[in-house]
Amino acid sequence: GDSVTQMEGPVTLSEEAFLTINCTYTATGYPSLFWYVQYPGEGLQLLLKATKADDKGSNKGFEATYRKETTSFHLEKGSVQVSDSAVYFCALDAGGTSYGKLTFGQGTILTVHP
Amino acid sequence: GAVVSQHPSWVICKSGTSVKIECRSLDFQATTMFWYRQFPKQSLMLMATSNEGSKATYEQGVEKDKFLINHASLTLSTLTVTSAHPEDSSFYICSARLLAGVRDTQYFGPGTRLTVL
Repeated sequence: GDSVTQMEGPVTLSEEAFLTINCTYTATGYPSLFWYVQYPGEGLQLLLKATKADDKGSNKGFEATYRKETTSFHLEKGSVQVSDSAVYFCALDAGGTSYGKLTFGQGTILTVHP
Repeated sequence: GAVVSQHPSWVICKSGTSVKIECRSLDFQATTMFWYRQFPKQSLMLMATSNEGSKATYEQGVEKDKFLINHASLTLSTLTVTSAHPEDSSFYICSARLLAGVRDTQYFGPGTRLTVL
């Protein structure tokens, strides 16, 4: 079945450091890929998405590129801020009869220190 | 942006009782809502898809008689955990699907923490 694997956390960085959170997936067909962020006490929010190979999703300084050859969708940010501290989830939508159903990775806790 | 609320945000109940959790889309209509369950330090697992005006579809391994879902209106879906037991203690999260032209986005509620004693 479909699955998403994220790098284990927690990840702790200093402000302005470079961030990478790895995400790889297993799916049949051509899934859409997403990164969601969950701030403390809030619901998951869509951060960015990509719907086909080589697409790059970007938002709030975060980027991720859909790499079909490596089945990856790694999240990157050049300079993190304290306000980026949250839990980040990689997810896929396999489409077809499963359209709209999301398969999530286990989440990565990010803590950014001043 | 679109807002989804859940009520209650947390609930503690005795074993054997039933608990109802509400999921509301506050500023949009959602023909489809999803219910997820999240265990500590684990991923969200899709439990079921709730379709307005029709029966919910459950994922493999989820007991439909245990987790009753009702989607009676375009802004409300409810999840009732019947005869709850301690192993049902978890964090339950709903999402509502907004379809607007070419946009297709899921908006998530803040979750409900259920503790069964």
